[in-house]
Amino acid sequence: EVQLVESGGGLVKPGGSLRLSCAASGFTFSTFSMNWVRQAPGKGLEWVSSISRSSFYMFYGDSVKGRFTISRDDAKKSLHLQMTGLRTEDTAVYYCVADGGNFDYWGQGTLVTVSS
Amino acid sequence: QSALTQPASVSGSPGQSITISCTGTSSDVGGYDSVSWYQQHPGKAPKLIIYEVNNRPSGVSNRFSGSKSGNTASLTISGLQAEDEADYYCNSYTSTSPYVFGTGTKVTVL
Repeated sequence: EVQLVESGGGLVKPGGSLRLSCAASGFTFSTFSMNWVRQAPGKGLEWVSSISRSSFYMFYGDSVKGRFTISRDDAKKSLHLQMTGLRTEDTAVYYCVADGGNFDYWGQGTLVTVSS
Repeated sequence: QSALTQPASVSGSPGQSITISCTGTSSDVGGYDSVSWYQQHPGKAPKLIIYEVNNRPSGVSNRFSGSKSGNTASLTISGLQAEDEADYYCNSYTSTSPYVFGTGTKVTVL
């Protein structure tokens, strides 16, 4: 069974930093591109960042470019998102998503709240 | 990259068919056959229900179908059931950033 379990969310002040992690199991992690997708409270889905197999390519949405960094550790089957310079508008549930050509598998999400 | 445009809400009675549109541009929906659809029930993670315009993953009901014409993709739910009440999002590959989601549509079963 495919499982993606996010962790690292919480309450942080504006300008602060947070590192999200995602532990994967039940599929061959190294063969999938991975993504972070977020959803602000009561709002729609927003693609945040993608990382290709073997970390060849990383992509970021305009709203997080220069502030967020995506990375992966294939040996540990884990995905990370380092978030710096956090803003109130970054408040959202962050989903870890495995991409085998589509957003095939989703975690349950971790809530990040940016507030003073 | 602007979000793809979907109607905010669509409703129908049990057994009816409904269609949700997803409008983009030639740089996303119109330019690639990489449109996918996701169903999200309240408090749950989204679930892939259609990929590459009109393909269903294993286990997804054949009451869900997809199509595309020009810059607009569509999701049709036939034989509407109470369990179909959820939010639906389209997604497309784009030439400017890898992905963009639609604005989302709330489906209500009357």
